[in-house]
Amino acid sequence: GENVEQHPSTLSVQEGDSAVIKCTYSDSASNYFPWYKQELGKRPQLIIDIRSNVGEKKDQRIAVTLNKTAKHFSLHITETQPEDSAVYFCAASKNNQGGKLIFGQGTELSVKP
Amino acid sequence: DVKVTQSSRYLVKRTGEKVFLECVQDMDHENMFWYRQDPGLGLRLIYFSYDVKMKEKGDIPEGYSVSREKKERFSLILESASTNQTSMYLCASRSTASGANVLTFGAGSRLTVL
Repeated sequence: GENVEQHPSTLSVQEGDSAVIKCTYSDSASNYFPWYKQELGKRPQLIIDIRSNVGEKKDQRIAVTLNKTAKHFSLHITETQPEDSAVYFCAASKNNQGGKLIFGQGTELSVKP
Repeated sequence: DVKVTQSSRYLVKRTGEKVFLECVQDMDHENMFWYRQDPGLGLRLIYFSYDVKMKEKGDIPEGYSVSREKKERFSLILESASTNQTSMYLCASRSTASGANVLTFGAGSRLTVL
């Protein structure tokens, strides 16, 4: 089955710096890659996703890139702010509109003011 | 706004007890999921259900079973709780409407097995 590896497990940056979180997946049939953010004590929420027919997607300060050949995708956060501090999870799914979603191990991002 | 409600936020059970974790969603979503969240291991899929009375094993189904008798309710059952099942359990639901692939999570149920 699908396996998703996520790095780093913890990341500390200064406010205003950029943060990059990387994920690799094992199943070349996977075609949907979302990112979820979980603030302390709260439930995970979708922040951005990308489908396999595009290589990059951007939404304000966050962007996701996908390299299907290498089977890896990354989350980029620019101009980080303290409210970006959270645990971020990447995930992969074989089906754009269904199928089980397999998550990575999570990255705890800390943005220091 | 989709609401996914987990009946218990905190539970403390003893080894060998039968444990029921209940999850209810109010937006007529077809798919429902149970994940387990442990530090350093992320969210691991236990079971999921595509629709009423349908269920499929996830990556770590051992020691768990599920029930989906009604569309809005997905129950996770620990037949005989063990200490290694101490964890945070997250339920999620998802619509199968065209273009929709967003999981909506519940607040979680933190289970401690003594």
